Amino acid sequence: DTGVSQDPRHKITKRGQNVTFRCDPISEHNRLYWYRQTLGQGPEFLTYFQNEAQLEKSRLLSDRFSAERPKGSFSTLEIQRTEQGDSAMYLCASSPRGDRNQPQHFGDGTRLSIL
Amino acid sequence: GQQLNQSPQSMFIQEGEDVSMNCTSSSIFNTWLWYKQEPGEGPVLLIALYKAGELTSNGRLTAQFGITRKDSFLNISASIPSDVGIYFCAGLGGSQGNLIFGKGTKLSVKP
Repeated sequence: DTGVSQDPRHKITKRGQNVTFRCDPISEHNRLYWYRQTLGQGPEFLTYFQNEAQLEKSRLLSDRFSAERPKGSFSTLEIQRTEQGDSAMYLCASSPRGDRNQPQHFGDGTRLSIL
Repeated sequence: GQQLNQSPQSMFIQEGEDVSMNCTSSSIFNTWLWYKQEPGEGPVLLIALYKAGELTSNGRLTAQFGITRKDSFLNISASIPSDVGIYFCAGLGGSQGNLIFGKGTKLSVKP
């Protein structure tokens, strides 16, 4: 059983550039979550998919952030026109079918650094 | 909004000692989870608690879901150097099943 996979693990980019991160959830998991974690803090919820449907996106930090899960399998998180404040660890988590209290399993994240 | 308060923020202990950390909330949660995170990695699930009053063990780890559903504690017995990391509590209670995390307890173990 492979866990949640995220790519790339690290991304360094200049301010103003667009970045895209990919998440491959555990194969039988239909729920997928994106979180952001800054230094000294716990992960902060951003958005959620059930299969291909994005059911919650009001927590995305600004309209520069968007996420997709076109076929209900992998997901991408895009940040446009990056700013220095976007520097953080971006974590993806997935959970299986069943009631929404199923525990979430996390990937190792993508660490974004904005120069 | 919902917030979780974790304490202590950090702990420095000697190998072999027992550890206790806790988490309190202003809101009720239906599920409490405890995760451990090591540098450069994502949080790893340690224990999940589903019922008020539930006491669950995973090896040297024991966690309890408070009766009021507003708190939980995690105990680690006979600590070892590989227990080093940041321990997060998380409440599962967002409208979409999202997790709400505390700020973590950083554990350091001296051999």
